[in-house]
Amino acid sequence: DAGITQSPRYKITETGRQVTLMCHQTWSHSYMFWYRQDLGHGLRLIYYSAAADITDKGEVPDGYVVSRSKTENFPLTLESATRSQTSVYFCASRAGGRGGEKLFFGSGTQLSVL
Amino acid sequence: GQNIDQPTEMTATEGAIVQINCTYQTSGFNGLFWYQQHAGEAPTFLSYNVLDGLEEKGRFSSFLSRSKGYSYLLLKELQMKDSASYLCALTGGGGNKLTFGTGTQLKVEL
Repeated sequence: DAGITQSPRYKITETGRQVTLMCHQTWSHSYMFWYRQDLGHGLRLIYYSAAADITDKGEVPDGYVVSRSKTENFPLTLESATRSQTSVYFCASRAGGRGGEKLFFGSGTQLSVL
Repeated sequence: GQNIDQPTEMTATEGAIVQINCTYQTSGFNGLFWYQQHAGEAPTFLSYNVLDGLEEKGRFSSFLSRSKGYSYLLLKELQMKDSASYLCALTGGGGNKLTFGTGTQLKVEL
């Protein structure tokens, strides 16, 4: 099916473990984003990418790594998970960089770090 | 930087009209979005304003005043399914990134 998909939908891990959240889009959108959503903070940008092999930090990048070797994929890795990284993670994409281009969101990954 | 303020919660009655306000401060303005997010789901696009004035789309309308750093989302003929969180978001100086407010949780009651 066309669209933007995230996996896994739910993930439980332990502190110190490495975790990778996957994001795949079929629209060939240039821009992709990772947000985390926490009560009281709303959606906060972790990293974004303007094209393959181009990534940049957002508001809360510490503890996260991203890569974008292919336009359609934008995985997010927690190198050594901490409890403060327990959150709902949303991947999003948009066609271009113009201000009016709306974001399309994946269904989210609910991550619990024990 | 950017700062976005929205009320945390609002309650309204089915069939009524509700206005959700958003005020912002930003060093560079490229446009303002409203998104709807039901519990446990992803945000979905509602509206986009780049010029001052009112944009109407069915039961939903969005207003922008750039000089006042102010926007509102107007929901008419409220339905129970409109119970959700409504997120105000700004595009930054380069238009590449979207910064979200913390959202307004709207509860529609009978």
